[in-house]
Amino acid sequence: NAGVTQTPKFRVLKTGQSMTLLCAQDMNHEYMYWYRQDPGMGLRLIHYSVGEGTTAKGEVPDGYNVSRLKKQNFLLGLESAAPSQTSVYFCASSINTEAFFGQGTRLTVV
Amino acid sequence: RKEVEQDPGPFNVPEGATVAFNCTYSNSASQSFFWYRQDCRKEPKLLMSVYSSGNEDGRFTAQLNRASQYISLLIRDSKLSDSATYLCVVILYNQGGKLIFGQGTELSVKP
Repeated sequence: NAGVTQTPKFRVLKTGQSMTLLCAQDMNHEYMYWYRQDPGMGLRLIHYSVGEGTTAKGEVPDGYNVSRLKKQNFLLGLESAAPSQTSVYFCASSINTEAFFGQGTRLTVV
Repeated sequence: RKEVEQDPGPFNVPEGATVAFNCTYSNSASQSFFWYRQDCRKEPKLLMSVYSSGNEDGRFTAQLNRASQYISLLIRDSKLSDSATYLCVVILYNQGGKLIFGQGTELSVKP
């Protein structure tokens, strides 16, 4: 039972490049979330999903897109990366109570 | 105003001390509350849920005050291993189950 798996774990992008972060969960959870964490800011919600085929904006959605084509996967896309998107990204899933997190993706945009 | 706000840190306490963290939330429709712990930028992990009647888990006690819209976490007999960042979390069911975190409070327990 892997829980929540994020790929990749580290990535360096050049400004303007695009990439997709993958979050996969094997717990059959309906809810999935993407957060970013910056020093002194806590975890800020980017986008979330309450079920397959649904997505919703969180606190800081600009510059990101998401898709939930399959229940177990939640993808976070950066179409044109900016240095302000340098951060640690966490994915989480839940059954609407306790949330389980992936180990994070450290993204640097240069 | 942020939806969930916590005491600013860091809290530096000696071993054996009692320390309390507070967290306020702005959305009165919030229905579920949790405390998470995060170590050294690793993923957050659930410490305990917070129930209306208050609940205790060993040295940890959580309280909820719906009228004043705050929750608290009390740690008794602090251990070195309690050093971490403590995150207050609220679920907004009236917004489709949004899970909102406070900015976290850093605790450092010294020998």
